[in-house]
Amino acid sequence: GQQVMQIPQYQHVQEGEDFTTYCNSSTTLSNIQWYKQRPGGHPVFLIQLVKSGEVKKQKRLTFQFGEAKKNSSLHITATQTTDVGTYFCAGRGAGGTSYGKLTFGQGTILTVHP
Amino acid sequence: NAGVTQTPKFRILKIGQSMTLQCAQDMNHNYMYWYRQDPGMGLKLIYYSVGAGITDKGEVPNGYNVSRSTTEDFPLRLELAAPSQTSVYFCASSYSNNGYNEQFFGPGTRLTVL
Repeated sequence: GQQVMQIPQYQHVQEGEDFTTYCNSSTTLSNIQWYKQRPGGHPVFLIQLVKSGEVKKQKRLTFQFGEAKKNSSLHITATQTTDVGTYFCAGRGAGGTSYGKLTFGQGTILTVHP
Repeated sequence: NAGVTQTPKFRILKIGQSMTLQCAQDMNHNYMYWYRQDPGMGLKLIYYSVGAGITDKGEVPNGYNVSRSTTEDFPLRLELAAPSQTSVYFCASSYSNNGYNEQFFGPGTRLTVL
């Protein structure tokens, strides 16, 4: 079955440093979504990427979708303490009838030291 | 809108007991999902539904059952609870939009089986 791997599992940064998490799928994806989960909270949708090579920005966050639609990345510039949490990528396989089912990566836990 | 609601927030079960985790959404979403999240792990899909009366297995369905009699409600039933079912359970919902749809998550139910 489809597998989505995410690295690193943990990242500790000083406030102001940059942060990047990478997501790799074993199969080609139709689309990829990114979610953020604050400690003790629930996942909250951040963004969706659909097109090959797509790049989207949300303030200090930059999201990329690979040309082959098998990998993605999330980059945060100048981290702040409010960025603390777990970042998940979730992909839907290309083709077939996946009925909106997403396969989630295991997440990257970001800690920001003030 | 209340969004996605889940009850209870916390529960402790003894081995062999049964319980139902409740999930409801008021956004008129067709798709609903149940995930479990183990510490340091991503979200694993247990069951999903594409509409009232239609359910299907996800990645880890063993030990669970679901029903979808209305658009709003999607309860998850645990029969004969086992310690391996200790986890945080999230219910989610989304619009039916060819799979390109963000998922809205409930606050979660933290279940411990002793």
